[in-house]
Amino acid sequence: GENVEQHPSTLSVQEGDSAVIKCTYSDSASNYFPWYKQELGKRPQLIIDIRSNVGEKKDQRIAVTLNKTAKHFSLHITETQPEDSAVYFCAASRDDKIIFGKGTRLHILP
Amino acid sequence: DAGVIQSPRHEVTEMGQEVTLRCKPISGHNSLFWYRQTMMRGLELLIYFNNNVPIDDSGMPEDRFSAKMPNASFSTLKIQPSEPRDSAVYFCASSRGQGGTGELFFGEGSRLTVL
Repeated sequence: GENVEQHPSTLSVQEGDSAVIKCTYSDSASNYFPWYKQELGKRPQLIIDIRSNVGEKKDQRIAVTLNKTAKHFSLHITETQPEDSAVYFCAASRDDKIIFGKGTRLHILP
Repeated sequence: DAGVIQSPRHEVTEMGQEVTLRCKPISGHNSLFWYRQTMMRGLELLIYFNNNVPIDDSGMPEDRFSAKMPNASFSTLKIQPSEPRDSAVYFCASSRGQGGTGELFFGEGSRLTVL
């Protein structure tokens, strides 16, 4: 079955700097790669996603890149702000089954 | 729509007791998922249903866990007997399924503590 590895597990960046989170997946048939943000004590919520026919997607300060050959994808957050502090999960999916990485706890330092 | 509704929000029970978690998905969503979240293991997929039919239960840890979806608006996850290592936050999520965007809508979760 699908296995998603996510790095780093914890990331601290200065406010205003960029943050990058990387994931790899094992099932070459996976074709949908969403990213979820979970604030403390709350439910995960989708922030951006990418499908396998696209290499890069951007939405304001966040962007995702996908390399299907290498089976890895990344989340980039630019100009980080205090409200970006949260746990971020990458995921890979084929059909309806969505498998998550273990998460990255992002701390934005003042 | 009120979103995905889970109950109870918190459950504290003693080892050996039966635990039943409940979920009401968003109306019109065809797929329903149960995830377990712990610090060590992150978000683990336990089981998912499509059109009320269990499609993949390979994530269910052992026979103590069972899940049902008797109709399109209700699902249960049961643990019997419960053990301390089952302590976690259990999330239910729903999506439109194939043909939709793929976005999962999570409930607020049920925090289970087994003493």
